[in-house]
Amino acid sequence: AQSVTQPDIHITVSEGASLELRCNYSYGATPYLFWYVQSPGQGLQLLLKYFSGDTLVQGIKGFEAEFKRSQSSFNLRKPSVHWSDAAEYFCAVGLTGGGNKLTFGTGTQLKVEL
Amino acid sequence: GAVVSQHPSRVICKSGTSVKIECRSLDFQATTMFWYRQFPKQSLMLMATSNEGSKATYEQGVEKDKFLINHASLTLSTLTVTSAHPEDSSFYICSARAPGMAYGYTFGSGTRLTVV
Repeated sequence: AQSVTQPDIHITVSEGASLELRCNYSYGATPYLFWYVQSPGQGLQLLLKYFSGDTLVQGIKGFEAEFKRSQSSFNLRKPSVHWSDAAEYFCAVGLTGGGNKLTFGTGTQLKVEL
Repeated sequence: GAVVSQHPSRVICKSGTSVKIECRSLDFQATTMFWYRQFPKQSLMLMATSNEGSKATYEQGVEKDKFLINHASLTLSTLTVTSAHPEDSSFYICSARAPGMAYGYTFGSGTRLTVV
């Protein structure tokens, strides 16, 4: 069965510092890959997604993610974090022919220190 | 575009009563909607997939009779938690997918259910 691992439960960075959130997936083929952000008590907002093509994907709010097939990873990055980026971040995978279901990682809680 | 409205945002109900949560796609027709449950500090767990005009497909371990899902139109899906108990307290989130968009999901803002 497919799985998504986000190794870091909590991450704290200083405002203005760079950020990298890790995501690894386990699946035989290349799945569709997503990063979502969730503010407290809110739904999820799509930051970016990878289906195919260029392995470096640009998203909203200055985020980017890089798909590395050899490492089965899809890490999320931002060069300079803003205080408003504090939220929960979820990596998710979907399978072709998988009923369009998403499997979510356990999430990484980002705290930004001013 | 692609807005999903979920209502109510918060609800408190007494144990043994039923609660209905609505998920509406405001500016597109959603052939498929998904219902998730999220426990505090945890990830989203898919409960069921609902397709307009047909019965919902429930994930393993989800009680069909407790969590009733109706998707009677292309813009509305409802989740009814029947005979709610405190352990049903959770954050419920819906998402909708427009036709022809394999993974073009839009999520609702969620419903915080508290059963007392």
